[in-house]
Amino acid sequence: AQSVAQPEDQVNVAEGNPLTVKCTYSVSGNPYLFWYVQYPNRGLQFLLKYITGDNLVKGSYGFEAEFNKSQTSFHLKKPSALVSDSALYFCAVRDRFVSGAGSYQLTFGKGTKLSVIP
Amino acid sequence: GAVVSQHPSWVICKSGTSVKIECRSLDFQATTMFWYRQFPKQSLMLMATSNEGSKATYEQGVEKDKFLINHASLTLSTLTVTSAHPEDSSFYICSARDREDTGELFFGEGSRLTVL
Repeated sequence: AQSVAQPEDQVNVAEGNPLTVKCTYSVSGNPYLFWYVQYPNRGLQFLLKYITGDNLVKGSYGFEAEFNKSQTSFHLKKPSALVSDSALYFCAVRDRFVSGAGSYQLTFGKGTKLSVIP
Repeated sequence: GAVVSQHPSWVICKSGTSVKIECRSLDFQATTMFWYRQFPKQSLMLMATSNEGSKATYEQGVEKDKFLINHASLTLSTLTVTSAHPEDSSFYICSARDREDTGELFFGEGSRLTVL
């Protein structure tokens, strides 16, 4: 079974400050890892993913995330937060080696609400 | 990039009626589509997985007779909420996987269902 933990329900950060949204995961094999952002009453927008290769992944809107296998973490970061970054952020995992139609399922964390204060 | 269109965005219906939500992949062929339900301030709950031309696989606890899923073509999947009741009110989101399987899922914009 695969699972994702986002330990913080809410993160508050001042505009211009760096932000971090935490995510840890559990899979039996090697993971595919994703970050998505959701604005109110909207679907999910893809931010970035880790499949293989460099542990530091750069994504949309200046976001990046670092895959840390030993700590089973994939924290989302941005050097300088914008008010427009305020939204709900979801970390998701997929076990790379599960076969069958269910192998493409993503397991989502519960989400972290990011509020950037002007 | 890959675009998934979901329609309608908002729907209000009377209790006992049925509502159909469409999910279309606009610029790619989606061999697998997923339907999620999201309650306020909560994460996405996977309802079912549908593969083109075959019956959907429902997650435990999801009533297949209540939530009918059809994936008749590589670009269209539909979710029909039958005999809707107020407790079915929710935000429903679809996602699709393309044939290339880049690892990423592409999400629709969601459909807000309110049952009166």
